[in-house]
Amino acid sequence: IAGITQAPTSQILAAGRRMTLRCTQDMRHNAMYWYRQDLGLGLRLIHYSNTAGTTGKGEVPDGYSVSRANTDDFPLTLASAVPSQTSVYFCASSDSSRSSGGTGELFFGEGSRLTVL
Amino acid sequence: GQNIDQPTEMTATEGAIVQINCTYQTSGFNGLFWYQQHAGEAPTFLSYNVLDGLEEKGRFSSFLSRSKGYSYLLLKELQMKDSASYLCAAMDSNYQLIWGAGTKLIIKP
Repeated sequence: IAGITQAPTSQILAAGRRMTLRCTQDMRHNAMYWYRQDLGLGLRLIHYSNTAGTTGKGEVPDGYSVSRANTDDFPLTLASAVPSQTSVYFCASSDSSRSSGGTGELFFGEGSRLTVL
Repeated sequence: GQNIDQPTEMTATEGAIVQINCTYQTSGFNGLFWYQQHAGEAPTFLSYNVLDGLEEKGRFSSFLSRSKGYSYLLLKELQMKDSASYLCAAMDSNYQLIWGAGTKLIIKP
């Protein structure tokens, strides 16, 4: 079944540890995104990539890094986790952005619930 | 600043109609999205409006007024499975999405 796969689905992490959340899509979408979702707040964009080889900073990029070596994979790394990074993380992709005439519709992974103690 | 406002929670009865409102303020505007998110699951796309007016898709309809910075999602013939959060998101001039916090819709029998 085509879609986006995230791993792990859930993780408890000690503060100061390094963590990489994995995201893989098989829809050959150009654009990929990482969001965090916290209770009472809207989805907040962490980083994005419009195409393989390029990345950009979103609304809340501090403490996170990404890479886009190929079309399918877009891992998110927390170099040194802090408790404020406790959240649900969603990876998403779209076939193309609205700016290039695409629908802009986002397809989301099932999320990774991260708890930093 | 950029902002999206939508009610935190709404309650409706199975079989009835409910309207979820969303107001937005963005730097430029390139469309308004609605997504549905069941508890513990990923958001899924419902609708996109960029022109004024009503877009109907089965039991769900979405309305946009650009001059008022206002949209609503209308759900008819409510079913228990419609219990979910409904996320409103506006796309700004840089084609970035600004998300509301979501409206939790509770359906009662």
